[in-house]
Amino acid sequence: GAGVSQSPSNKVTEKGKDVELRCDPISGHTALYWYRQSLGQGLEFLIYFQGNSAPDKSGLPSDRFSAERTGGSVSTLTIQRTQQEDSAVYLCASSLVGQSQETQYFGPGTRLLVL
Amino acid sequence: AQSVTQPDIHITVSEGASLELRCNYSYGATPYLFWYVQSPGQGLQLLLKYFSGDTLVQGIKGFEAEFKRSQSSFNLRKPSVHWSDAAEYFCAVVNTDKLIFGTGTRLQVFP
Repeated sequence: GAGVSQSPSNKVTEKGKDVELRCDPISGHTALYWYRQSLGQGLEFLIYFQGNSAPDKSGLPSDRFSAERTGGSVSTLTIQRTQQEDSAVYLCASSLVGQSQETQYFGPGTRLLVL
Repeated sequence: AQSVTQPDIHITVSEGASLELRCNYSYGATPYLFWYVQSPGQGLQLLLKYFSGDTLVQGIKGFEAEFKRSQSSFNLRKPSVHWSDAAEYFCAVVNTDKLIFGTGTRLQVFP
């Protein structure tokens, strides 16, 4: 598969539990983005990795959210002590070098439901 | 702050009819603008983008969009809609490499 892949496709968890969401970007893409899509907030930026630079975490809604990118490829978004308002679809995207005019290619998303 | 407005939450058209989805942006400099489409249960797919040059941009699936600086608009058009175009459409502007999305327009197509 040449596209962005995400796992799991769906995740149901109980309030207070931690969850990890995974993103595999397109091979060779150095920029990776996480977005969240929810009914109340629409599509919003969470965090952005570009090469070896420090990530842009300006969109993370609280300190319960964190993300890392290992080896410049796979990324994991972690939500600690999940709350019901964290229920959303979490989308990952990648682009070749992270320049503004580049296309961001999106994965299918992980649908998270917090009970 | 940069923002994108899509005034129409939901649009219904008949198959074969023409379509225009509105998008207005707020941005200080020359914007980089995108239209994405999201089919049910799918991720976002790029339809077209504008960052310089010709203000009329052609995209995939027969879509086009026109950048009008004087109106701060980037409306998406298609001359003849197909039933498979039913989806949600998002306009977006780039701000420091991150996409800022509008709230989306859901398109419904009747046979």
